[in-house]
Amino acid sequence: DAGVTQSPTHLIKTRGQQVTLRCSPKSGHDTVSWYQQALGQGPQFIFQYYEEEERQRGNFPDRFSGHQFPNYSSELNVNALLLGDSALYLCASSLETGGWMGNEQFFGPGTRLTVL
Amino acid sequence: GENVEQHPSTLSVQEGDSAVIKCTYSDSASNYFPWYKQELGKRPQLIIDIRSNVGEKKDQRIAVTLNKTAKHFSLHITETQPEDSAVYFCAATSWGGFKTIFGAGTRLFVKA
Repeated sequence: DAGVTQSPTHLIKTRGQQVTLRCSPKSGHDTVSWYQQALGQGPQFIFQYYEEEERQRGNFPDRFSGHQFPNYSSELNVNALLLGDSALYLCASSLETGGWMGNEQFFGPGTRLTVL
Repeated sequence: GENVEQHPSTLSVQEGDSAVIKCTYSDSASNYFPWYKQELGKRPQLIIDIRSNVGEKKDQRIAVTLNKTAKHFSLHITETQPEDSAVYFCAATSWGGFKTIFGAGTRLFVKA
């Protein structure tokens, strides 16, 4: 049973460029959340996808966008990269159980993005 | 906006001692409170969680308590071991389970 996978592992971009990060959820999971983790900080919620729709967003600008595919995998896109976007980007998957309560999230290994 | 405060930022204990990490959340609608352990260069991993309809939960050496009135929750690790050394994050998930806010983390050092 594969856990959450992310690609690529590392990425180096220059300011102004665009980047796409990918996430495959744990088998059986249907919900994907994305987080940005700066060095020495806690993960910051970017957004969550369920049924191919963004259903909640954190305090991130529109330069951050995403997508979820019918197989539940997801992409995070960041446009017009800034130096401050350098961070570890984590995706986490969970199973929606309809109980209006959070459920355990399983994290992927992350993508380390460096913006020069 | 929603916020989770976590203290202390660094905690150093002797092997065998107990460690306590405390968190406070701002969104009274939060109803799920997970704790994650993150070792250097690795992904966060869930170690214990508690839901808002429960006041305390224990799993071997780890326990979590929740005070909804005060909006406080705490992680207790007993009989600490060197392998407990890591960064620990508390988090609070909003009603509906859509958004999880993390604390800034506590770096725990367990000295042998």
